[in-house]
Amino acid sequence: NAGVTQTPKFRVLKTGQSMTLLCAQDMNHEYMYWYRQDPGMGLRLIHYSVGEGTTAKGEVPDGYNVSRLKKQNFLLGLESAAPSQTSVYFCASSQNGEQYFGPGTRLTVT
Amino acid sequence: DQQVKQNSPSLSVQEGRISILNCDYTNSMFDYFLWYKKYPAEGPTFLISISSIKDKNEDGRFTVFLNKSAKHLSLHIVPSQPGDSAVYFCAASEYNFNKFYFGSGTKLNVKP
Repeated sequence: NAGVTQTPKFRVLKTGQSMTLLCAQDMNHEYMYWYRQDPGMGLRLIHYSVGEGTTAKGEVPDGYNVSRLKKQNFLLGLESAAPSQTSVYFCASSQNGEQYFGPGTRLTVT
Repeated sequence: DQQVKQNSPSLSVQEGRISILNCDYTNSMFDYFLWYKKYPAEGPTFLISISSIKDKNEDGRFTVFLNKSAKHLSLHIVPSQPGDSAVYFCAASEYNFNKFYFGSGTKLNVKP
């Protein structure tokens, strides 16, 4: 039982490049979330999903897109990376409110 | 505007004493409150939660208190241990668990 896994762990992008972050969970949770954490700030919700095939915007959705084609996977896409998207990204899944987080992806955009 | 605030960026406590971490929120629609613990280079891990119908919840050394009229919650750790040294985040959500709002965290240092 791996819980929540994230791929990749680290990535460096140049401005304007695109990438996809993958989150996978093996707990059969309905809810999944993508957050970013910046220095001195808490986690801010980017997008979330309440079930397979559904997605919705969180607090800071601009510049990101998501897809939830399979219940166990939640993908976060950056179409044209900007330096302001340099951050640590966390994925989480949840059932009944308690969230289980992945280990994070450290993304640097130069 | 931040809906959940942790005004103390850091706290230092002696081993064996009580640690009290505080959190304030502004949205009266929040129904569910959680505390998470985070070590460097790891994701947050769930610690304890409380719903708005309660004012206290205990789990071993950890107790969360909720004061709805003051829009304030606190986490008590008794007795504090060096392994408790980490960053603690409080979070809040409405009843549907669609969106969670996190505070900026308090770094707890428990000195041996």
